[in-house]
Amino acid sequence: KAGVTQTPRYLIKTRGQQVTLSCSPISGHRSVSWYQQTPGQGLQFLFEYFSETQRNKGNFPGRFSGRQFSNSRSEMNVSTLELGDSALYLCASRRTGTLSSYEQYFGPGTRLTVT
Amino acid sequence: TQLLEQSPQFLSIQEGENLTVYCNSSSVFSSLQWYRQEPGEGPVLLVTVVTGGEVKKLKRLTFQFGDARKDSSLHITAAQPGDTGLYLCAGTHFPNNAGNMLTFGGGTRLMVKP
Repeated sequence: KAGVTQTPRYLIKTRGQQVTLSCSPISGHRSVSWYQQTPGQGLQFLFEYFSETQRNKGNFPGRFSGRQFSNSRSEMNVSTLELGDSALYLCASRRTGTLSSYEQYFGPGTRLTVT
Repeated sequence: TQLLEQSPQFLSIQEGENLTVYCNSSSVFSSLQWYRQEPGEGPVLLVTVVTGGEVKKLKRLTFQFGDARKDSSLHITAAQPGDTGLYLCAGTHFPNNAGNMLTFGGGTRLMVKP
């Protein structure tokens, strides 16, 4: 079974631009979560989507948004990029409605560099 | 805000030594996961513990969930260079279709020297 895939793997953007990152979950997984990882703050939760609805949101400004499609694929968007948005953005999927629904499986991440 | 405190932050040991990594919180978690992450990659799930007092073994790795479900530990026996990486604990609350999120500890960076 294929794992979580994320595209692109690397991205360089300029301050003020916007960026869209994509995530395809493991087949059969309907929940997709996004996390930001930085050396200073570690791994922080951005948001979770299930059935095309945002279920949870972390403490990030409104410049960070996301959506989920009917096939469970998800995208996240960051508008008006700031230098501090440079990070590894990780997507994770999980199977819901089962005893194993605690378990989240991560993709390889998208390394975003803002200059 | 629920926080997970992980210790130590850094650990450098020789091959063959034993080590323990701790993950502590003042909050109760419904489950706790341990991940290992290598540079440039996403975290890889090692184990999930859900019952207070639970102990799980994965080859040379032993994971324990505290009785009160507020803390956990990871013990590695006879560490090998291949164990080198960033170890992360993460707690979850109420996993169900209504939503879930992982709260991560700060991580323990382990280096095992040959």
